[in-house]
Amino acid sequence: DAKTTQPTSMDCAEGRAANLPCNHSTISGNEYVYWYRQIHSQGPQYIIHGLKNNETNEMASLIITEDRKSSTLILPHATLRDTAVYYCIVREGDTGFQKLVFGTGTRLLVSP
Amino acid sequence: EPEVTQTPSHQVTQMGQEVILRCVPISNHLYFYWYRQILGQKVEFLVSFYNNEISEKSEIFDDQFSVERPDGSNFTLKIRSTKLEDSAMYFCASLIRGPKDIYNEQFFGPGTRLTVL
Repeated sequence: DAKTTQPTSMDCAEGRAANLPCNHSTISGNEYVYWYRQIHSQGPQYIIHGLKNNETNEMASLIITEDRKSSTLILPHATLRDTAVYYCIVREGDTGFQKLVFGTGTRLLVSP
Repeated sequence: EPEVTQTPSHQVTQMGQEVILRCVPISNHLYFYWYRQILGQKVEFLVSFYNNEISEKSEIFDDQFSVERPDGSNFTLKIRSTKLEDSAMYFCASLIRGPKDIYNEQFFGPGTRLTVL
């Protein structure tokens, strides 16, 4: 079962920052937080992952609280193409080869 | 940019028939996966494959399912006798597992939509 809780849906205006929250209160010390997204029944796409420090890449930023019980994915300037289901996944290790356990995610709708 | 490809994009079959779903992972990747997504439901893990053998499989992956890497480039999922409930999108994924960089993650294909009538 998924170890995370996310809002079912969120809206965002194009060009604005989209902040997607995720609760993972039972996360253990060696578990990482991963974010994937799925655009309209396409294959899921990796976005970013982190352990305890904030992370940033060309797609997004990941802010993890100090107690690691929650995190926020930030899309700094959302576009219409960012409309998708976003999945927050907690997984042991950062080698990437373990299976991914998807929850129901947050459906983000970016509007003009 | 290299990508995972899957064929066919849509497969329609009769209940009880065998189907083979094909995937071409990214060429230097070493780990391979199948996931499925029933319409309107979560993406579910089926099986992982490394070094020519199954690493892990889920409860869904019963004796009706099998995987194979027949020629070093393709990765296939076979369903021996399809059931109505096998109707779903099937996603293949691959992973390089190398130095810690952005490519050390699972890359997914576009999926095959399987419809069992």
